Amino acid sequence: GENVEQHPSTLSVQEGDSAVIKCTYSDSASNYFPWYKQELGKRPQLIIDIRSNVGEKKDQRIAVTLNKTAKHFSLHITETQPEDSAVYFCAATLPNTDKLIFGTGTRLQVFP
Amino acid sequence: EPEVTQTPSHQVTQMGQEVILRCVPISNHLYFYWYRQILGQKVEFLVSFYNNEISEKSEIFDDQFSVERPDGSNFTLKIRSTKLEDSAMYFCASSEALGRNEKLFFGSGTQLSVL
Repeated sequence: GENVEQHPSTLSVQEGDSAVIKCTYSDSASNYFPWYKQELGKRPQLIIDIRSNVGEKKDQRIAVTLNKTAKHFSLHITETQPEDSAVYFCAATLPNTDKLIFGTGTRLQVFP
Repeated sequence: EPEVTQTPSHQVTQMGQEVILRCVPISNHLYFYWYRQILGQKVEFLVSFYNNEISEKSEIFDDQFSVERPDGSNFTLKIRSTKLEDSAMYFCASSEALGRNEKLFFGSGTQLSVL
C-alpha cells in the first residue's frame, strides 16, 4: 500500500528565513497531495494542496512542488513568521479511495 | 468560518467499557471521516461515510468499531469494548466531496485514554 515519509521531524529557522519540508510517497498512482498545519492544541487545517497534473502551486508565502518522477513533494514557506510555528503534515492519496495517508509531521519553530 | 465540532475533548474510560465520540460535521458537507493518532505516530484513516453508509474502512476498523449518523447533524464513532491500545486522539473530518477525499476539514479531536 501507499507509504509517505516526511523530513525533517523538527525544523528551526530564524524569522524571515525560508523553510522547506519534504515528503516522499511510494505509489506512483497517487494523485492528490494536501498539506495540513496544526498549531498546538488546535485542529489540523488545510493550507495548500496539489493534484498530480500540476507541478507547482503557490499561495502567498506558501508553495508546494511536486516531482512525480522522483515521487516527492515539498512545502516551501518564505519569509517565515513566528505564527508559522506549528506541526506540518503532508499526505497523499490514491484514486478511487477515501483514505489520506499522512506523513509523520514536522515541528517547525520560527524564532524572532 | 464553519467548523467541525467534536465532543468531548477528553474522554477517560476503563478497559472494556463502551465509548461514543461525537462529531458535528459542517452542514453542507457530504463525506464524513474518522481518523486517529496514537501518541508519537502517524495520523491513520479509520473510516469514511457517505450517503448514510460506510464508504471505506481500514483494517483498524474492526467489529469493535461502528459509526452512525443518527440525525441530520451528528456523526458518531462507537467503540464497543475499549482496549488499552485504543488510546489515541480521534479526529472527525468532513468534506464537500469535490473529490472523494479532498479538502478535508478536521475537528479539534477527542483525546481518548483507556485505563
